Amino acid sequence: AQSVAQPEDQVNVAEGNPLTVKCTYSVSGNPYLFWYVQYPNRGLQFLLKYITGDNLVKGSYGFEAEFNKSQTSFHLKKPSALVSDSALYFCAVRLGDNFNKFYFGSGTKLNVKP
Amino acid sequence: DARVTQTPRDKVTEMGQEVTMRCQPILGHNTVFWYRQTMMQGLELLAYFRNRAPLDDSGMPKDRFSAEMPDATLATLKIQPSEPRDSAVYFCASRGPNTEAFFGQGTRLTVV
Repeated sequence: AQSVAQPEDQVNVAEGNPLTVKCTYSVSGNPYLFWYVQYPNRGLQFLLKYITGDNLVKGSYGFEAEFNKSQTSFHLKKPSALVSDSALYFCAVRLGDNFNKFYFGSGTKLNVKP
Repeated sequence: DARVTQTPRDKVTEMGQEVTMRCQPILGHNTVFWYRQTMMQGLELLAYFRNRAPLDDSGMPKDRFSAEMPDATLATLKIQPSEPRDSAVYFCASRGPNTEAFFGQGTRLTVV
């Protein structure tokens, strides 16, 4: 069965500090990996994706994520957090371009304190 | 600026009433998803369509939920009869052949 795990319900970080939001996956094939962000009362917004190639993927708003095949992880990172980054972050996996089903993690609430 | 449009944004209804939620996918996107988000269950995939044909609706309670795409510009999710446990935010998303999924702003449903 395919699954995505976000082990932390909540991550707290001070503004200006680096942040990491963790994601691990379990799939039977080559995964396409995604990060989405959800602000209050809004839909999910695409941040970045990994399909193939360089393991370090850069996305919107200064975020990046590193694909690690041996650890089956795709952690989201940012060198310097902003208060405005506070939101709910979802990791998702899809099995290749011909497969449409996205599997989402449970979400991690990021709190950035001034 | 292309976006997925969902209506209504908010819906409060009484238990037993029919509820219809609508979604206009991004023009040219051939895959449409319906998700439900609750605090307890997170994001659950209810159903999805490709080229207007239902591909997977295994996440949807069949006795009361139905999803359709009468044309390429409209997807509907209907609940009849509604129950308090259906209270959630329902998201529609669409995806093109070579794009990621774009989400609408959701319909917040409250069944009292």
